[in-house]
Amino acid sequence: EPEVTQTPSHQVTQMGQEVILRCVPISNHLYFYWYRQILGQKVEFLVSFYNNEISEKSEIFDDQFSVERPDGSNFTLKIRSTKLEDSAMYFCASSDPGGTRLNQPQHFGDGTRLSIL
Amino acid sequence: DQQVKQNSPSLSVQEGRISILNCDYTNSMFDYFLWYKKYPAEGPTFLISISSIKDKNEDGRFTVFLNKSAKHLSLHIVPSQPGDSAVYFCAASRSGGGADGLTFGKGTHLIIQP
Repeated sequence: EPEVTQTPSHQVTQMGQEVILRCVPISNHLYFYWYRQILGQKVEFLVSFYNNEISEKSEIFDDQFSVERPDGSNFTLKIRSTKLEDSAMYFCASSDPGGTRLNQPQHFGDGTRLSIL
Repeated sequence: DQQVKQNSPSLSVQEGRISILNCDYTNSMFDYFLWYKKYPAEGPTFLISISSIKDKNEDGRFTVFLNKSAKHLSLHIVPSQPGDSAVYFCAASRSGGGADGLTFGKGTHLIIQP
């Protein structure tokens, strides 16, 4: 069964450094998403991406964050200058609009654990 | 701002019995609801969904019920199996998904006792 893959599984970075998290969505999916889960808290939506542009973003997704689809298969999340509070599990997801763009579940990768020191 | 609430942090059920997980929401704009299952060190796995035009959706051992007037949904697992032990998340979105991000509940840890 096709799946969303994320690399690396664990990233340790010094505060203030830039970090790029990588995702390969399911190949025929057209919508891509990033979520994060701080330890002990809910999974929170960050951003959605469709047709090479951001569709929706939450208030968490500030100027320190950016997303890109550099080629036909990868989808990346960049954090420009990491802070301690960016430590979290980051999940990538993708979905298939199925023509009607309605009622298509999002499928998640296994996440990247980001630790900021 | 808890738009999606799962009020039971954990639930213990005997193997073979029915597991019922509950979820309440406050945002009347939500029209598509999903349940995900999550094991430690893995991402959420999609289980079953329901759109607001339905009140029930069934897939094998899993059934989701939606009560729009009460803004309540539930997931029934019958019969419960040991492999069902996991954290279950309720999630909701507007306009049937697409570009909309999902709003998640805090999750319920289901423990199936042998």
